Parts: sequence; structure tokens; C-alpha cells
Amino acid sequence: SAVISQKPSRDICQRGTSLTIQCQVDSQVTMMFWYRQQPGQSLTLIATANQGSEATYESGFVIDKFPISRPNLTFSTLTVSNMSPEDSSIYLCSVSQGAIEKLFFGSGTQLSVL
Amino acid sequence: AQTVTQSQPEMSVQEAETVTLSCTYDTSENNYYLFWYKQPPSRQMILVIRQEAYKQQNATENRFSVNFQKAAKSFSLKISDSQLGDTAMYFCAFMKPETGANNLFFGTGTRLTVIP
Repeated sequence: SAVISQKPSRDICQRGTSLTIQCQVDSQVTMMFWYRQQPGQSLTLIATANQGSEATYESGFVIDKFPISRPNLTFSTLTVSNMSPEDSSIYLCSVSQGAIEKLFFGSGTQLSVL
Repeated sequence: AQTVTQSQPEMSVQEAETVTLSCTYDTSENNYYLFWYKQPPSRQMILVIRQEAYKQQNATENRFSVNFQKAAKSFSLKISDSQLGDTAMYFCAFMKPETGANNLFFGTGTRLTVIP
């Protein structure tokens, strides 16, 4: 199984600032995904990040607010821009390796916005 | 649209006992995947067990097994010989294979506490 490292593990940020979350995988993967888990809620897909193309965003999420980079097959970043307290969530990176139904997750980034 | 329902927000079980977590889903698809994920306090989502809809045999992974009732659209998780390390949030999830992981729907989760 893929080993996924996410940084930072947690952060406390001020309103109006931006935070970039990094996701590093120990092997090359085609598809990487970013999820948001609001307090006490389930996971919601933000976007799919494929190397060499623009990220595909789900309904309710826009590139200006959540810009994503995917410079190679082992790395991606998600930026949470112009943060507000409503952005306080866990953000999780996941990858699909091998069969499409084999999905692995990082340990998440706990973000608190004051 | 697919929906996944977990009707038990919280459950508890004595150590070494057996517990069953419920999950129902709604879909018009015939082929799909169902998953149970575990999320301990470390926040990492860990795949517990996976079931392909075309397989009638219930999936089993060591102490974890499922009761998959396709007609009833039910997918419950049974944990046998519960251990303290099983304490976590458990999420049921549905995926349509042709759309892949970008069409993975999660339930709202069940918080399981194993009591020593």
C-alpha cells in the first residue's frame, strides 16, 4: 500500500491568511484527491489532482479558494486561501494506487482558523 | 445521486464482545463497491474491508466481516472479539467503479468505543 505523508499535521491560522498543505507519496500515483472533513462530519471531495492537467473541482469548491498544484506523480499541494473560521476542518489527501477502488489516505491536516 | 446512511452516531461494546455497525445506501446502479473505513484519533482513514456488489459472498478480513444484502441495499460491519484499538470513527462508503475514487460517497460515520 502507498505511504502518504501530509504536512503540516495541524495549524492554527488567522482569518484572511492562506495555508498550503503538502502531500507526499512514496510511489508514483496517477490520481490524487483532496478531501475536507468538517467538525463532526463525513468527508467531502474538494478536487481531483492529476499530473499535467488542471485539477477538477467538485460542486461548491473553486480554484481561487482552493488552488491545487500537482507538479509530479508523487507530490501535490492544496492551498486554503483567504481563510475564515468556516474553513476550520481536517483536510485529507488520498491516492488511488493500482485498481481504482484501492484508495489510501494520509493522516490529515487539522486546520483551525481564528 | 447516491446516498449512504449510517443510523447509529455512536455505539459502544465491551472488550472481546461482538458489535455490528449498520449502513444502508441508495443507488440505481448494479455494479459498485462498498467500503468500511476506520478513522482513529490519528485522523488517518484506514480501509477495513471492501465488497464488490457482483460478489454474493460476504467479505471477511480477520475479525471484521460484512453482511451484504444487495436487494435491501444494506452493508453492515461486524467486529468480533473487539479490541481497545478498534475504538474509532467508522465510515461506510459507496463507489461506482466507472467513475473511480472521484465518486466515492461517505456516510456520516459511527463513533465506536470499546470499553475495557
